[in-house]
Amino acid sequence: DAGVIQSPRHEVTEMGQEVTLRCKPISGHDYLFWYRQTMMRGLELLIYFNNNVPIDDSGMPEDRFSAKMPNASFSTLKIQPSEPRDSAVYFCASRRQKGTEAFFGQGTRLTVV
Amino acid sequence: EDQVTQSPEALRLQEGESSSLNCSYTVSGLRGLFWYRQDPGKGPEFLFTLYSAGEEKEKERLKATLTKKESFLHITAPKPEDSATYLCAVKTSINTDKLIFGTGTRLQVFP
Repeated sequence: DAGVIQSPRHEVTEMGQEVTLRCKPISGHDYLFWYRQTMMRGLELLIYFNNNVPIDDSGMPEDRFSAKMPNASFSTLKIQPSEPRDSAVYFCASRRQKGTEAFFGQGTRLTVV
Repeated sequence: EDQVTQSPEALRLQEGESSSLNCSYTVSGLRGLFWYRQDPGKGPEFLFTLYSAGEEKEKERLKATLTKKESFLHITAPKPEDSATYLCAVKTSINTDKLIFGTGTRLQVFP
């Protein structure tokens, strides 16, 4: 298995632009998590899905952030409009229904200038 | 408020010099404590899950232990390839799959 696949690996955008991050979870995994990592705040959960349904989005910082999971093999995290303080590394992770081990992707490093 | 604190922030060891990393937690309830390893430019990689005080798990040179207030990650005779950031996280309820992460300990092992 190729693991969790995220794209793009790096994204540089101007303030005010829309940014879309993409994630393909491991096949057969029922849970998908979106995290954000910064030096100051560490790794923070933004939202997670179970069987494509959003379960907890309490970590989504503002209405500018939205996430979708239209099917079991694809999820997006969108920021519109983007701001410099959104600069961070965004990770996607997936997990089996009964498992404890979450597998992380390589992350997307977002820079908003 | 649930909180996870890791110490030290950074640790430099000579190859073969054993040490321990600490993860202390203040949470409403503990439903699992997780250790992850993160290499630069990569996502975290799962190491261990501990559920109850007194539990221990081992993997190669790493051993994780758990008490009612903290967890330790013991590294015995480390090698340069053990250099990484080690993250701990807690799950506080059976009704959620949310993990609360600490900010990590950056370990460097020199030959």
